[in-house]
Amino acid sequence: GDSVTQMEGPVTLSEEAFLTINCTYTATGYPSLFWYVQYPGEGLQLLLKATKADDKGSNKGFEATYRKETTSFHLEKGSVQVSDSAVYFCALITGAGSYQLTFGKGTKLSVIP
Amino acid sequence: EAQVTQNPRYLITVTGKKLTVTCSQNMNHEYMSWYRQDPGLGLRQIYYSMNVEVTDKGDVPEGYKVSRKEKRNFPLILESPSPNQTSLYFCASSLRDKADTQYFGPGTRLTVL
Repeated sequence: GDSVTQMEGPVTLSEEAFLTINCTYTATGYPSLFWYVQYPGEGLQLLLKATKADDKGSNKGFEATYRKETTSFHLEKGSVQVSDSAVYFCALITGAGSYQLTFGKGTKLSVIP
Repeated sequence: EAQVTQNPRYLITVTGKKLTVTCSQNMNHEYMSWYRQDPGLGLRQIYYSMNVEVTDKGDVPEGYKVSRKEKRNFPLILESPSPNQTSLYFCASSLRDKADTQYFGPGTRLTVL
């Protein structure tokens, strides 16, 4: 079955540090890939997405590139802020007509001033 | 404002006492879904619905029921809750042809004693 593997957290960074959260996947067909963010006490919000190989999703300074050859979708940000502290989930949907998101286990990021 | 709402946000109950968690969306979405989030496991789908009167099991449906009598509502029913159903529950929805853009509710934290 489909699966998503994220780097284990928690990750603690100082403000303005560079962030990478690794995500790799296993899927049949050609999945669409997502990063969701969950701020403390809130539901999940779509952060960015990519629907085909070599697409780059970007939002709020975060970026991720769909790498089919390495089955990866790593999340990056050049300079994190305290307000980026949250749990980040990598996810995928496979196939036309599929609605079920398959999530990774989540990576908790804490940014300290 | 487009949103998915859940009630209650927090609930503490005892084993065996039937409960319902409501989910409502105001975006005229066909697809609705329930997930549970547990530490170290990420989000797992419980049930989903493609439209009114159409529901199907997700990955972890045991101990849960759902109904979809109206397009906007998708309640989650625990007929006889048990402590292993203590979790954080999320409802999500999307348009039928926009599975890659799902909206999540704020979550319901359930504790079963």
